[in-house]
Order: sequence, then C-alpha cells, then structure tokens
Amino acid sequence: DTAVSQTPKYLVTQMGNDKSIKCEQNLGHDTMYWYKQDSKKFLKIMFSYNNKELIINETVPNRFSPKSPDKAHLNLHINSLELGDSAVYFCASSLPLQRGQETQYFGPGTRLLVL
Amino acid sequence: AQTVTQSQPEMSVQEAETVTLSCTYDTSESDYYLFWYKQPPSRQMILVIRQEAYKQQNATENRFSVNFQKAAKSFSLKISDSQLGDAAMYFCAYRSFQGGSEKLVFGKGTKLTVNP
Repeated sequence: DTAVSQTPKYLVTQMGNDKSIKCEQNLGHDTMYWYKQDSKKFLKIMFSYNNKELIINETVPNRFSPKSPDKAHLNLHINSLELGDSAVYFCASSLPLQRGQETQYFGPGTRLLVL
Repeated sequence: AQTVTQSQPEMSVQEAETVTLSCTYDTSESDYYLFWYKQPPSRQMILVIRQEAYKQQNATENRFSVNFQKAAKSFSLKISDSQLGDAAMYFCAYRSFQGGSEKLVFGKGTKLTVNP
C-alpha cells in the first residue's frame, strides 16, 4: 500500500494554464506539507496544514492555493502557470510533533514542466 | 531562522569503502531533530537516519551512522561498506520542535557516486 501518493507524476503544460496536483496519505497523519524542489535540487517548504488548517505559508505567490478537504488529502492548485514554476513538487505528511513522531514521509513527487 | 549547510556538492567512494558526508546547521533552539534523507534517481525521498538533539548518543541504522556534535552544530553521515545502491543525492534536514514550525529545512544536498 502506498503511504503518500501524488497524482499526476508528470505534468507538462503551457504558460498561463491552471493546473492541480493531488496528494493523499493513508498513514492517519494529521499534518501535511507541500515542498518545492527546484532545478538545482534545492528543497523548500511551501505550505503545511494541520487537520485541514493552514499552519505554514512560506511567502509563496498567491497563484498557488492549497486546499485540504480532509486531513488525508492536500491538493495544490496553481493559477496562471509561469516558466519559473517548473520544478518537482513533493507532498509529505507526519503525525503531530511529539517525541518519536517527528519523521515526515514523502510522496513520489510530481515533475511539473511549464513550456 | 534556521539554516542547514552541506559544503560538499559532490562526493565519490569506492564500493565497500567508507565515506562521510558533512552537514552543519545554525539555530538558536535547544530542542530539535536532524535527519538525513536519500534521493536516488527515482526521485523518492527516503529517510536514512534521524537524531534527536536532546540525545547525546549518535544514531545508527545498519551501515549508516551519524556523528552529532551539538555544540559545534555539526551532523555528519558516515556510510560504511558502501554499495552501488547508495548512489544518490543526500540531504541533511533540520526540524524544529516548536509548535507551528514543523517544517523541514534542507541543505542543498550532496551527490554521492559509488564506483565499482
């Protein structure tokens, strides 16, 4: 069983389009995240949600809108795609931060290419 | 804000030998976690090992061990008996224990090549 899954795995689209990436976790975790990995492999947090509530928003353009319909899902919608949005987007999840429950588990990533 | 620095963009090792990847971090917090993640060409982020800052004992996981020096803010990863499957990008990461700050802060990664 896949613990953290993302769809699609690859996404090729034109500038100006709107696209969504979906994430689901079956680990029973309360907290979910979106990270962006740029062309130089640098990984940076974008958002985190705890039980459907936004906790972290790291100065991401408002063209990016996360949505959490329930605690097992965190989707990422991107409006008016730009060339600089090309990257790999990772979803992750974790339990509430307590001793022994600090690990974040990552999905397989979605490679987005904006042409 | 916390920062994580990996000073070795690339490293190589011969199969069956030992290699150490460096990581330093900057924080004013006393309670936090440190991680090493591996990213093979498949792109999947795989947890290799984790260390709790309040524990002085260095973590070990089979062939992987860390040298955690809290005062020096250093967290290096040692891979013993290197295998071809160890070839990957390795990321050092920091996680605060403060509520509302549960994000991982990553270093820029070290690309490890294993030579047969």
